[in-house]
Amino acid sequence: AQSVTQPDIHITVSEGASLELRCNYSYGATPYLFWYVQSPGQGLQLLLKYFSGDTLVQGIKGFEAEFKRSQSSFNLRKPSVHWSDAAEYFCAVGVMRGSQGNLIFGKGTKLSVKP
Amino acid sequence: EPEVTQTPSHQVTQMGQEVILRCVPISNHLYFYWYRQILGQKVEFLVSFYNNEISEKSEIFDDQFSVERPDGSNFTLKIRSTKLEDSAMYFCASSYQGNTIYFGEGSWLTVV
Repeated sequence: AQSVTQPDIHITVSEGASLELRCNYSYGATPYLFWYVQSPGQGLQLLLKYFSGDTLVQGIKGFEAEFKRSQSSFNLRKPSVHWSDAAEYFCAVGVMRGSQGNLIFGKGTKLSVKP
Repeated sequence: EPEVTQTPSHQVTQMGQEVILRCVPISNHLYFYWYRQILGQKVEFLVSFYNNEISEKSEIFDDQFSVERPDGSNFTLKIRSTKLEDSAMYFCASSYQGNTIYFGEGSWLTVV
């Protein structure tokens, strides 16, 4: 069965430090992979996505993620975290049925940023 | 930037009452979805809708739930007789091609 694992429930980093949020997936075919961010009281905003091609994808707000098929991972990175990045981050895999996909989400990683 | 809008942002309802959550998807999108997130749990797929019919639904989406696209712009989720366990954040989402899904800000439903 398809699944997404985000091993870190809560991470705290200092402002200006680098960030890596881990995501592992289980999916039988080539996955469509996504990262979403949810700020307090807000909806889910798409940060970036991977469908095919270059395994390093760039997203909004200075985030990037790297798809590693051999490790079934799609980790999210940012070289220098800003206080406004404090939020909850969700990794998701798109389960495609024909042309349409539904998303299976991980449990999320809450990011706190300390000054 | 186009966005998915949802109303209400928060609703409190008595157990057993009917609730309708409303959504305006992004205007040129063709695929519509409802997801929910119970507090502290994963975001879960409920239903997808394409070409004026349900294309897929999860086990959660039982006979208590229904969706409708009553006109060219709105997409609604109805819960016929709410239960305490229906308390959750409900996200509407839409997609143009069915692969990249954009979410609204959610509607908090509290059943008391």
